[in-house]
Amino acid sequence: AQKVTQAQTEISVVEKEDVTLDCVYETRDTTYYLFWYKQPPSGELVFLIRRNSFDEQNEISGRYSWNFQKSTSSFNFTITASQVVDSAVYFCALSEGDSSYKLIFGSGTRLLVRP
Amino acid sequence: GAVVSQHPSRVICKSGTSVKIECRSLDFQATTMFWYRQFPKQSLMLMATSNEGSKATYEQGVEKDKFLINHASLTLSTLTVTSAHPEDSSFYICSQLMNTEAFFGQGTRLTVV
Repeated sequence: AQKVTQAQTEISVVEKEDVTLDCVYETRDTTYYLFWYKQPPSGELVFLIRRNSFDEQNEISGRYSWNFQKSTSSFNFTITASQVVDSAVYFCALSEGDSSYKLIFGSGTRLLVRP
Repeated sequence: GAVVSQHPSRVICKSGTSVKIECRSLDFQATTMFWYRQFPKQSLMLMATSNEGSKATYEQGVEKDKFLINHASLTLSTLTVTSAHPEDSSFYICSQLMNTEAFFGQGTRLTVV
C-alpha cells in the first residue's frame, strides 16, 4: 500500500537558519511521482516540485533544495537561510504511475520561522 | 501554469441545507478532476475522482449520496454537500489533471452552523 510519512509535526526555527523537512514514502510501484506543496495560512496549495522515480538527481531552486534517495525511500526538502515568509504547512505527496495520478499526502509539517 | 478556479472560497450554511462548490479550469480541458477534504490541522484526504461524462469514483468511507459530484464538461466539476451537518465543516479543494501534473483550486472553507 502507498503511504507518505512526515514524522515532523511542527518545526520552529529562527530566521536565517537552515531547516530540513523529512519525507519517507512507501510504494510497490516502480514508476511514481513525488511532490512537495506549501500551504500558507490562506489555504491554497502552492506547488514546489515534482520528481519522478527514475530521476534521483538532487534539485536546487534558489533557497530550496530536495534530496531524493530511493535506497531509503526518502524525499527530503531543505530551506536554506529561512525567512519568515517560509512559515507554512508543507506537504509531501506521492502519486503512482497509473492513469489516475491521484495524490496521497503526508500529514504535513508546520514550519514556523521566527524573526 | 494552468489556472484552476474554485468558488466560493468561503461559505457558511445552516445545518440541513446543501452547498455547491464549483471547480473550473480556465485555460485547459481536464478529463479528470479530484476532490480532497482537509479537516483543521490535518492532511488532505482524497474524497473522489471525477471523470468527465461518467460517474465519480469515491474513496472508501465517503458517502456518494452525501457528496454529489458532477463533471458535466471538460472545464467544470461541482461538489454538492447535501444536508450538511457541522461535522462536514472542512476545507474542500479540487484538483485538475493536465498531462501528468495536478493543479489545485484555491479551496473552499465550509462552515456548517
